[in-house]
Amino acid sequence: GDSVTQMEGPVTLSEEAFLTINCTYTATGYPSLFWYVQYPGEGLQLLLKATKADDKGSNKGFEATYRKETTSFHLEKGSVQVSDSAVYFCALLSSGGYNKLIFGAGTRLAVHP
Amino acid sequence: GAVVSQHPSWVICKSGTSVKIECRSLDFQATTMFWYRQFPKQSLMLMATSNEGSKATYEQGVEKDKFLINHASLTLSTLTVTSAHPEDSSFYICSARVAGAGTGELFFGEGSRLTVL
Repeated sequence: GDSVTQMEGPVTLSEEAFLTINCTYTATGYPSLFWYVQYPGEGLQLLLKATKADDKGSNKGFEATYRKETTSFHLEKGSVQVSDSAVYFCALLSSGGYNKLIFGAGTRLAVHP
Repeated sequence: GAVVSQHPSWVICKSGTSVKIECRSLDFQATTMFWYRQFPKQSLMLMATSNEGSKATYEQGVEKDKFLINHASLTLSTLTVTSAHPEDSSFYICSARVAGAGTGELFFGEGSRLTVL
């Protein structure tokens, strides 16, 4: 079945460092891909998405490119801030009915001043 | 964006009792809601999909008699954990899809942490 694999965390960075969180997927057909973020004590929020190959999703300085050839959707940010500390989930929209989202395990990011 | 609210945010109950968790879409109508379960340091696992006015669709391995889902209106879905046991302790999260919205427009509640003693 469809699945998402994320790099294990936690990822610990200093402020202004470059961030990459790897995400690869297995799916039939052509899924849509998402990054969700969960800040401490809050619910999940959509960070960015891409619906077809070579699309680049971007938001709040984060970006990810849908790479069909490598089945990847890596999340990047050029300069992280302390406020970016959160858990990041990669997800794909299953090609089955009801728009079911399948999540990766999540990667915790901790940014220190 | 749209707001989804869960209640209670945390609950402690004795083994053998039943617990109901509510999921409400506050400023939009949701024809479809999803219930997830999240174990510590693990991903969200989809438990079931509920559609307003019809029976929920459960994922493989989820006991429908154990986790009762009701989606009686376009703004409310409930999850009832019946005869709860310690292994049911978890973080339960609901999400809702805006009626008529495009692909992936899901909004998530803050989650409800259940602890069964």
